[in-house]
Amino acid sequence: GQNIDQPTEMTATEGAIVQINCTYQTSGFNGLFWYQQHAGEAPTFLSYNVLDGLEEKGRFSSFLSRSKGYSYLLLKELQMKDSASYLCAVLDSNYQLIWGAGTKLIIKP
Amino acid sequence: DADVTQTPRNRITKTGKRIMLECSQTKGHDRMYWYRQDPGLGLRLIYYSFDVKDINKGEISDGYSVSRQAQAKFSLSLESAIPNQTALYFCATTSGQGDTDTQYFGPGTRLTVL
Repeated sequence: GQNIDQPTEMTATEGAIVQINCTYQTSGFNGLFWYQQHAGEAPTFLSYNVLDGLEEKGRFSSFLSRSKGYSYLLLKELQMKDSASYLCAVLDSNYQLIWGAGTKLIIKP
Repeated sequence: DADVTQTPRNRITKTGKRIMLECSQTKGHDRMYWYRQDPGLGLRLIYYSFDVKDINKGEISDGYSVSRQAQAKFSLSLESAIPNQTALYFCATTSGQGDTDTQYFGPGTRLTVL
């Protein structure tokens, strides 16, 4: 079966750095997405990786290793507004998105 | 104005009632999706449509039906609602062009079935 694993919850301090990991086992791979979702709101797109390596976008970076079935989202200079759930999703061989359950990130002052 | 809209935003209904959730988009995208989200679970795909004449079942289509009335409109129906269909429902669209296939979500409909 297809599976995406990410931690259920993480806690970090304002101003610090946090890394949210995602491992996947899917039938084929056509890219990996990270979305941010604030409580009760819709997910919004953060990043897309299809090749190995690091993609940097401001305070957020996303890394992919296809051989390891692994990705991480790195958030720097954490702000209180970064408190949200972060969803990892993989586009499989049929171009269907398989979603992880999300990681709830709690930021403390 | 929002690119993807959903109505209603909140709905409380009783077991056995027929419910329709509506989604409209102004992004000009061909592809539209319906998901449900439950606490502790990822987004689960109910139905998707790649164009007006193409409708496909997703992971959890039982108990649901859809209608693609136009490129911009995709409705989800619960023919006879049951309590375990209580969830947050999202509509999403993608252009299906290029490699990114980014999904744009509506604001969600919170459905409670008593």
